[in-house]
Amino acid sequence: EIVLTQSPGTLSLSPGERATLSCRASQSVSSSYLAWYQQKPGQAPRLLIYGASSRATGIPDRFSGSGSGTDFTLTISRLEPEDFAVYYCQQYGSSPSTFGQGTKLEIK
Amino acid sequence: QVTLKESGPALVKPTQTLTLTCTFSGFSLSTSGMRASWIRQPPGKALEWLARIDWDDDKFYSTSLKTRLTISKDTSKNQVVLTMTNMDPVDTATYYCARHIAGGWFDPWGQGTLVTVSS
Repeated sequence: EIVLTQSPGTLSLSPGERATLSCRASQSVSSSYLAWYQQKPGQAPRLLIYGASSRATGIPDRFSGSGSGTDFTLTISRLEPEDFAVYYCQQYGSSPSTFGQGTKLEIK
Repeated sequence: QVTLKESGPALVKPTQTLTLTCTFSGFSLSTSGMRASWIRQPPGKALEWLARIDWDDDKFYSTSLKTRLTISKDTSKNQVVLTMTNMDPVDTATYYCARHIAGGWFDPWGQGTLVTVSS
């Protein structure tokens, strides 16, 4: 199965700054079948991005996804206070679908 | 609006069988292309996909857990049921159900139900 490695494990930034989160796959993810989720404490994950770069319904345009093959990136252009959470990537190009271990985005 | 809600026991003993029910609205698992999955998350850890069921009753399981899992659906009740046998303390986790879009991403998710395995 494909192993997803997210980096950094924790990212400390201030509101207004730009966040760049990485997700690296152990083998190529076919057709850029990669999604990103946001999870806040005590809540279920929320879909942000699918197909590596398509924003889900209702997701602000400060969130953007990019990448292909084995390297993918989630970028948050200007951090809002509500963006501090844990972010997970998921690949669904190869069965079984797998998740990364998460990146915690915390307030500096 | 699509919503899902998980239900089941909060506490099970080791070796027991866990049965979880996902009750959903806003879509039908009798409609072509619809799918639903179960995913779990141990406390403070990452997400793990467990099982999926499709509109045509195709079923798919995690490789590492397939001998212990059974997924089924009741389309008349808009429910998906997951059973996991031989529960162990390492199975302590929040269990989520989610609509599985195009066999790919998960959206939306239920609120999750915490299951603790302890004697």
